[in-house]
Amino acid sequence: NAGVTQTPKFQVLKTGQSMTLQCAQDMNHNSMYWYRQDPGMGLRLIYYSASEGTTDKGEVPNGYNVSRLNKREFSLRLESAAPSQTSVYFCASSEILADTQYFGPGTRLTVL
Amino acid sequence: DQQVKQNSPSLSVQEGRISILNCDYTNSMFDYFLWYKKYPAEGPTFLISISSIKDKNEDGRFTVFLNKSAKHLSLHIVPSQPGDSAVYFCAASALHNNNDMRFGAGTRLTVKP
Repeated sequence: NAGVTQTPKFQVLKTGQSMTLQCAQDMNHNSMYWYRQDPGMGLRLIYYSASEGTTDKGEVPNGYNVSRLNKREFSLRLESAAPSQTSVYFCASSEILADTQYFGPGTRLTVL
Repeated sequence: DQQVKQNSPSLSVQEGRISILNCDYTNSMFDYFLWYKKYPAEGPTFLISISSIKDKNEDGRFTVFLNKSAKHLSLHIVPSQPGDSAVYFCAASALHNNNDMRFGAGTRLTVKP
């Protein structure tokens, strides 16, 4: 039972490159989330998926897209990376939207 | 808008003493409150929660207090241990409405031996 897994753990991109961050959970949770954490800013919600087949914008969605591929997987895509997207990205899941969330180990992304 | 606020970015306490971390919220619809703990290079992990029907929940050395009238919750760690040094996030949601959770900015706790 791995919980929430994220790949990759680290990534360095050049400005303008694209990439997809992968997330999977094996807890049969309905809801999944993508956050970014920046120093002094706490956890800011980028996008979330309340249930399979739905996605919604969070607090900071600009520059990102998401796909809820199935109940287990929720990916985050940066189409044209910018230095302002340098951050640590966390995926999380929960039984329902307002319930306790369980987090993955994070992806540290640097955009040069 | 910051619906959940942790006004102290950092806190330092001596090993064996009590650590008190504070959190304020503005949304009166919140009815479920949690604390998460985060070590460097790891994801946040769930620590303890409290429902709005209670004013206190205890789990070993960790106790969360909720003051609904003041829209304030606190986490007490007694006694504090060096392994408790981490960033602590407060979070809140409206479970009855199934609305998304909001997080505070975090408080970095350092427990000195």
